Amino acid sequence: DADVTQTPRNRITKTGKRIMLECSQTKGHDRMYWYRQDPGLGLRLIYYSFDVKDINKGEISDGYSVSRQAQAKFSLSLESAIPNQTALYFCATSDSADLANSYEQYFGPGTRLTVT
Amino acid sequence: QKEVEQNSGPLSVPEGAIASLNCTYSDRGSQSFFWYRQYSGKSPELIMFIYSNGDKEDGRFTAQLNKASQYVSLLIRDSQPSDSATYLCAVTAYSSASKIIFGSGTRLSIRP
Repeated sequence: DADVTQTPRNRITKTGKRIMLECSQTKGHDRMYWYRQDPGLGLRLIYYSFDVKDINKGEISDGYSVSRQAQAKFSLSLESAIPNQTALYFCATSDSADLANSYEQYFGPGTRLTVT
Repeated sequence: QKEVEQNSGPLSVPEGAIASLNCTYSDRGSQSFFWYRQYSGKSPELIMFIYSNGDKEDGRFTAQLNKASQYVSLLIRDSQPSDSATYLCAVTAYSSASKIIFGSGTRLSIRP
C-alpha cells in the first residue's frame, strides 16, 4: 500500500462549489504539505503543518483552507472553487527527525482538479 | 525574480551522453538543495540532495553546489531513455528548513 494517499484522484467540479481534497499517510511523519502544480510554474506551496496544532500559510493560500484532523490526515478545502484553481494538487510529508536526509519530502500520487 | 530558477527546456541529449541541468536560487540563507525527478503525470521523487559546497555523487548522478554563486547543478552520466522526465530543483527556505521552494523544472529528453 502507498505511504501517502490522496482522494479523490480526479475531480471535476463547477464554479462556486465547495470541494475537499484529502490526504492520509502511514509514514508516521509529523510534517505535511499541500502544493499545487501548474504547467510551467512548478510546485507552489499552499499550506503546511508541522504538527496537529501548527498550521502555516504558504505562498498561495488565498482561496484555500486546511484542516489537520490527526497526525496522519491533512485536508485541503476550496470553499468556492473558481476556474483558475484548476491544477494538479499534491500532498507531501516529511519527518522532522530526518536530519540525515535533510527533511526529504514524500509525495502522494496527486489529485487532478478541474473547475468548470 | 523567482526564488529558484531553471531553464524549462526541453533539453535533448543523446543516449549515453552526459546531461547537465542547472539551477540558481536567490535566498543566500538556503541550507539544503534537492533534485526531484517527475515523470509525466506522476508525483516527484527525490533523486539527490546536497548541503555542502562541492560535488556529491550517487551512481550515475552527481550534484554540484556552489553557495557563493548560488548555483546548483545535476549531472547525469550515461543518459538512458528512462531518464527522460522533468527535473525539479528545490531549496530550503532560510526561515524554515522544512519549507522547500521548488523551481519550475527542466524537461529532459534522452534520444536513442
